[in-house]
Amino acid sequence: EAGVAQSPRYKIIEKRQSVAFWCNPISGHATLYWYQQILGQGPKLLIQFQNNGVVDDSQLPKDRFSAERLKGVDSTLKIQPAKLEDSAVYLCASSLLSGRTDTQYFGPGTRLTVL
Amino acid sequence: SQQGEEDPQALSIQEGENATMNCSYKTSINNLQWYRQNSGRGLVHLILIRSNEREKHSGRLRVTLDTSKKSSSLLITASRAADTASYFCVIQGAQKLVFGQGTRLTINP
Repeated sequence: EAGVAQSPRYKIIEKRQSVAFWCNPISGHATLYWYQQILGQGPKLLIQFQNNGVVDDSQLPKDRFSAERLKGVDSTLKIQPAKLEDSAVYLCASSLLSGRTDTQYFGPGTRLTVL
Repeated sequence: SQQGEEDPQALSIQEGENATMNCSYKTSINNLQWYRQNSGRGLVHLILIRSNEREKHSGRLRVTLDTSKKSSSLLITASRAADTASYFCVIQGAQKLVFGQGTRLTINP
């Protein structure tokens, strides 16, 4: 079974530039998550999708971050404009059902460096 | 805060020894999960224990949950070099899955 795919694996940008990350979840998984993990910390949930609807985006900085999950499969996370403090690893995860007691499967992450 | 807090923040032991990590939390939970993160395999789910369970085993892993004390422990027996990783206690409340800061475990040969 193929795992969660993410691209790119690494990205370096200047502050105030824009960046986009892509995630392809495990086939058939209804729920998709985006996490931000700053060095030395645990992952922080940014947004959770159930199919193509948003379940939780309470910790998403909506003035600069946006995410979509078209057709309930792939998802993109965008940052515009980026700030220095956005340097982190962005993890995508998926789970089969609603996630309440469901195992999440994580992708390898995208390491973003903002200079 | 719904976040679990792991203790210790870092742990270094010799290969073959047992490693114990603890997690404390403040809110009521539906379940508690442990995840491992290393550079090789990324973030991987280890084990889930439900709020009505007290102990669970999976291979060399043993997890306990004491809801009266709002705490959990993860025991790794007969540690191996491959167990070197960060271990996260993950609290699952009403909807969210909240990660703690993690315990950094180093297994020395």
